[in-house]
Amino acid sequence: QVHLVESGGGVAQPGRSLRLSCVTSGFSFSTFGMHWVRQAPGKGLEWVAVMSNDGSEKYFADSVKGRFTISRDNSKDTLYLQMNNLRVEDTAVYYCAKDSFDSWGQGTLVTVSS
Amino acid sequence: QTVVTQEPSLTVSPGGTVTLTCGSSTGAVTSGHYPFWFQQKLGQVPRPLIYDTAQKHSWTPARFSGALLGGKAALTLSGALPEDEAQYYCLLSHNGPWVFGGGTKLTVL
Repeated sequence: QVHLVESGGGVAQPGRSLRLSCVTSGFSFSTFGMHWVRQAPGKGLEWVAVMSNDGSEKYFADSVKGRFTISRDNSKDTLYLQMNNLRVEDTAVYYCAKDSFDSWGQGTLVTVSS
Repeated sequence: QTVVTQEPSLTVSPGGTVTLTCGSSTGAVTSGHYPFWFQQKLGQVPRPLIYDTAQKHSWTPARFSGALLGGKAALTLSGALPEDEAQYYCLLSHNGPWVFGGGTKLTVL
């Protein structure tokens, strides 16, 4: 059974950094691309970033380009999202999702506030 | 910046049929956008319904179907049930980056 578990959320001040992790199990992690998706409180879904299975391709939403980076450790079946220079508008629940969006984690809440 | 457009809200009667649409500011939506559809209820993780325009997951109720209609992706619900009341989001690929629509709040009333 596929499992994705996000962690690393919390409260951060504007301009600071956080790193999210997504630990996976139940599938061959190294053969699938992975996404990050976020949802601000009371708002819609926003796609954030994707990384290919081998890390060779990455794409980002315009809203996070240059501030967020995505990485993965296939030996640990883990996906990461490094979030730098955080803004108040980055406040959201962050989900990781498998390549075809057929499996999602439960999300981790990031709150950016002074 | 690419914008994906959905109807903000729609209402359907129980047992009725409704079509939700998904357009792109870049032009006609095609199979190359690999349209996805998700259902989300309050406090829950999004539930995927449709992928690659019209493909269903094993858990997708038969009353949901996907297609391309008039240059947009479309999700049709035939025989609406009260439990189908939810927020629905489409998602399109734009040659690398993906973009969600703003969502449609579907009311079954």
